[in-house]
Amino acid sequence: QVQLVQSGAEVKKPGSSVKVSCKASGGTFSSYAISWVRQAPGQGLEWMGRIIPILGIANYAQKFQGRVTITADKSTSTAYMELSSLRSEDTAVYYCARTSGGGYNYWGQGTLVTVSS
Amino acid sequence: EIVLTQSPGTLSLSPGERATLSCRASQSVSSSYLAWYQQKPGQAPRLLIYGASSRATGIPDRFSGSGSGTDFTLTISRLEPEDFAVYYCQQYGSSPNTFGQGTKLEIK
Repeated sequence: QVQLVQSGAEVKKPGSSVKVSCKASGGTFSSYAISWVRQAPGQGLEWMGRIIPILGIANYAQKFQGRVTITADKSTSTAYMELSSLRSEDTAVYYCARTSGGGYNYWGQGTLVTVSS
Repeated sequence: EIVLTQSPGTLSLSPGERATLSCRASQSVSSSYLAWYQQKPGQAPRLLIYGASSRATGIPDRFSGSGSGTDFTLTISRLEPEDFAVYYCQQYGSSPNTFGQGTKLEIK
């Protein structure tokens, strides 16, 4: 059974960066895309980008281009999402999710990132 | 970017009733790469339907999906108390993989 375990909650200052990790266990890490989705308090789901670990190629939503970097370490089955130039509007729960060919079957538990001065 | 519009925003029904949720895309969703998720407070979303009409593993058969092109529907045949939650559609056929804004299914 695939499990995605994310790093813990973060509190960051405006203008700083945050890096959230997502460690996968079970299944084949490299072959399936890992996506990052965020959810601001009381709001809906917002897709940020994804990476296919075996290719090492990431693509991003236009909204986050230039501010987000998604990487993957095949040796540790861990994906990372780094968001820079943080502002208060980036306060949200950040999820990693993995597809198995149709939709996002597996989700991490979520990581709350709070941006506050 | 494909924009998904869900309706209604809120649906108030009683247990045992039938729920019909709509998701309309701004352009055709390729190969019916359309998924539905259920989300309860404080939890990650759960995949219900993929490929517009295929149930994910472990999903009860009271959940069904239909549609193609730009119009998709999630139907819950007889509502159980645990079905009251927020539901999202998502297209994963093109990048970015966009989500609808959600439909809140509440107890009447």
